[in-house]
Amino acid sequence: GESVGLHLPTLSVQEGDNSIINCAYSNSASDYFIWYKQESGKGPQFIIDIRSNMDKRQGQRVTVLLNKTVKHLSLQIAATQPGDSAVYFCAEPRMDSSYKLIFGSGTRLLVRP
Amino acid sequence: SAVISQKPSRDICQRGTSLTIQCQVDSQVTMMFWYRQQPGQSLTLIATANQGSEATYESGFVIDKFPISRPNLTFSTLTVSNMSPEDSSIYLCSGQGQGVTDTQYFGPGTRLTVL
Repeated sequence: GESVGLHLPTLSVQEGDNSIINCAYSNSASDYFIWYKQESGKGPQFIIDIRSNMDKRQGQRVTVLLNKTVKHLSLQIAATQPGDSAVYFCAEPRMDSSYKLIFGSGTRLLVRP
Repeated sequence: SAVISQKPSRDICQRGTSLTIQCQVDSQVTMMFWYRQQPGQSLTLIATANQGSEATYESGFVIDKFPISRPNLTFSTLTVSNMSPEDSSIYLCSGQGQGVTDTQYFGPGTRLTVL
């Protein structure tokens, strides 16, 4: 069945370093992916998205890479800051075009001062 | 973008009682959803709140336990009925525009503790 999963449940990085959060998906027909950030006590916040006709998309300090060959995407955060500490989820719409999102299990990013 | 608010932000309830959670969006959205999130876990979709008709529930969730209303395009409620400690969780609502790839925005969540 469809699934979106993450490799690492917790990632600890030094402030100022770059962070890479990974996500694997199983459906080769998936054509749209979203990254959300969820800070403690808050709802998920949209960070960036990417369509399958792209390999890379950049935002402010964030880059998403999509490797369709191995069905893998990653979120890269440059110069990680304490405010980046949160849980990060990848998500994709269900293939039934129902608008419903399938969320990965999440990765907790801890930024060490 | 859409700003979504929820009330209450948290509550502590007794077993056997019911709680209604309100979700308000600051602009009209086509789709509204309700999710449950156990501490330290991912989001699980409970149902799609349909405007003017019965909600569409995901496997494992039923209307008697989680009745949902959506009287208009900006407001929805989720009731957690006959609560048990297993219902302790964070409940989140979300809203999305007209396209499948429109951004889905989330409310801040309602943290429910059932004693």
